[in-house]
Amino acid sequence: RKEVEQDPGPFNVPEGATVAFNCTYSNSASQSFFWYRQDCRKEPKLLMSVYSSGNEDGRFTAQLNRASQYISLLIRDSKLSDSATYLCVVRTGRRALTFGSGTRLQVQP
Amino acid sequence: EAGVTQSPTHLIKTRGQQATLRCSPISGHTSVYWYQQALGLGLQFLLWYDEGEERNRGNFPPRFSGRQFPNYSSELNVNALELEDSALYLCASSSATSGSMDEQFFGPGTRLTVL
Repeated sequence: RKEVEQDPGPFNVPEGATVAFNCTYSNSASQSFFWYRQDCRKEPKLLMSVYSSGNEDGRFTAQLNRASQYISLLIRDSKLSDSATYLCVVRTGRRALTFGSGTRLQVQP
Repeated sequence: EAGVTQSPTHLIKTRGQQATLRCSPISGHTSVYWYQQALGLGLQFLLWYDEGEERNRGNFPPRFSGRQFPNYSSELNVNALELEDSALYLCASSSATSGSMDEQFFGPGTRLTVL
């Protein structure tokens, strides 16, 4: 079983739609959680950290469910510029980050 | 402020050769991480250096090695190259090693092609 699992997609949604991605992690000792965004043939960039209480940044909302060991990302009012691969990322202890293989989003006009 | 830089941008080698990839972290960052991203696959953690020492290593054979210099820049060396080593190699840096929620900043990567 992979440490971090994501639906690879692609998710094809129209502009203005709301889309949600889920991610599950296998190590219950995991401590830190992030969503990164990676555009085609570019490096990953941090989108947002994920806190136990949930957090929101504009159109983006991240949630963490420790009991079920899953993380979610909700994007409201999708823009064409949101088209990218979204990477679920987990840190366990002092280990380096573990990346999911990503969920591809394509927002269509 | 300059971001993470990597060189070269592209590298073409043949099987059996050695490749050396270089990374300069953001000024003030002491941790450097190396990842491999093969085509169609997710990022796979290779190595983590902090304060000149190897802190952790991913599930890769010993022919993948590296080092970190006193100025915190880093090299990744891949010996006895194999075709499946062809990938984008990403370097990231961060400023904390406490295991807290520190962000990693990525460089643009080196695309290694093994023929």
